[in-house]
Amino acid sequence: DAGVIQSPRHEVTEMGQEVTLRCKPISGHDYLFWYRQTMMRGLELLIYFNNNVPIDDSGMPEDRFSAKMPNASFSTLKIQPSEPRDSAVYFCASSLGQGTDTQYFGPGTRLTVL
Amino acid sequence: AQSVTQLGSHVSVSEGALVLLRCNYSSSVPPYLFWYVQYPNQGLQLLLKYTTGATLVKGINGFEAEFKKSETSFHLTKPSAHMSDAAEYFCAVSDLKNDMRFGAGTRLTVKP
Repeated sequence: DAGVIQSPRHEVTEMGQEVTLRCKPISGHDYLFWYRQTMMRGLELLIYFNNNVPIDDSGMPEDRFSAKMPNASFSTLKIQPSEPRDSAVYFCASSLGQGTDTQYFGPGTRLTVL
Repeated sequence: AQSVTQLGSHVSVSEGALVLLRCNYSSSVPPYLFWYVQYPNQGLQLLLKYTTGATLVKGINGFEAEFKKSETSFHLTKPSAHMSDAAEYFCAVSDLKNDMRFGAGTRLTVKP
């Protein structure tokens, strides 16, 4: 298996623009997680899905952030409009289940908002 | 609510020396505990995990961790550091119902 795939790997955009990050989880995994990593706040869980349904979005910072999972093999995280403070590395991870199951992380998308 | 505290945001050791990275957890139910490693410009990957059973858990690359319920700890150790161990290490806690909570991370530097 190719592992969790994220695109793009790097994104540079200007404040106010819409940004869409993409993730393809490992086939057969029922859970998908979106994380944000910054120097100041560390690794934060933004939202997670179970069988394509959002379960907990309490980590989504503002209404400017939205996430979807239209099918088992694809998810997007959208920021509209983007702001400089959104600059971070965004990780997608997937797992078979919760609790004891390992989360497999993608390589991340480094977002820079100018 | 579950949480983990990693003591020391930076740890520096000499090559060949013992590595000890500290993690304490808080959980109202029996926890599942994890150590992940992140190399530069990469995602996190699992080093080892404790679910049930033996409290001393062995992982990849010679690392191991011991679950000590009385101390609410899950410290990560390696007898002899290698240059390739330089990375950031994250402790995490989970249970059957809740999502995984990560610590702030400890950056390990290995000096030649």
